[in-house]
Amino acid sequence: QSALTQPASVSESPGQSITISCTGTSSDIGIYHLVSWYQHHPGKPPKLIIYQVNQRPSGVSTRFSGSRSGNTASLTISGLQAEDEANYFCCSYAGNYSLVFGGGTKLTVL
Amino acid sequence: EVQVVQSGAEVREPGASVKISCKISGYSFIDYHIHWVKQAPGKGPEWMGLMYREDSQTVYAGEFHGGVTFTVDTTTDTAYMQLNNVKSSDTAVYFCATGQWDLSHWGQGALVTVSS
Repeated sequence: QSALTQPASVSESPGQSITISCTGTSSDIGIYHLVSWYQHHPGKPPKLIIYQVNQRPSGVSTRFSGSRSGNTASLTISGLQAEDEANYFCCSYAGNYSLVFGGGTKLTVL
Repeated sequence: EVQVVQSGAEVREPGASVKISCKISGYSFIDYHIHWVKQAPGKGPEWMGLMYREDSQTVYAGEFHGGVTFTVDTTTDTAYMQLNNVKSSDTAVYFCATGQWDLSHWGQGALVTVSS
């Protein structure tokens, strides 16, 4: 499968909101309710922040939310904080017991 | 508390093999798939495949078929990923992660450097 498409980088000021898109196809995001998002600070393990499109694991801030429209999933971070500066990548089930990742988006909090 | 601990960094010459371990503790080893993810320098993550939780069957992503082998030692709750005939493009951080189709717990990653 081809990788999901994410913007390479985004930036926003503290306190603002930002949305990161993740575009796939009708064979992955468009058909399966199995989109997840990960926050990755370099040198640390990635952290699951959204699963099944819009579910937050226990302990993840309510400032993180997920949604999907057609073949595109989105991650919204509200009330940006300096600690949110990280790489974010999406992932979707793609059928036949396989996953596909996005290329990752570097978030800069100005 | 779930813990996923991987083996350390490795350096190999082209053509060699390397085996990375991934020890999982804190829940029943058989309850979740074990996924392997490659992240090359400056690139996004790539899903390499998984070991299916119920019967240790493996699924390999197309581009990794034939070049990688997943195994598990259920007596020590440790999974392994072996890369064969490595080349420079295999230089990357390799993560193991657990979950079904969302990866809830990740190892710290193991850097593999391929250099002559």
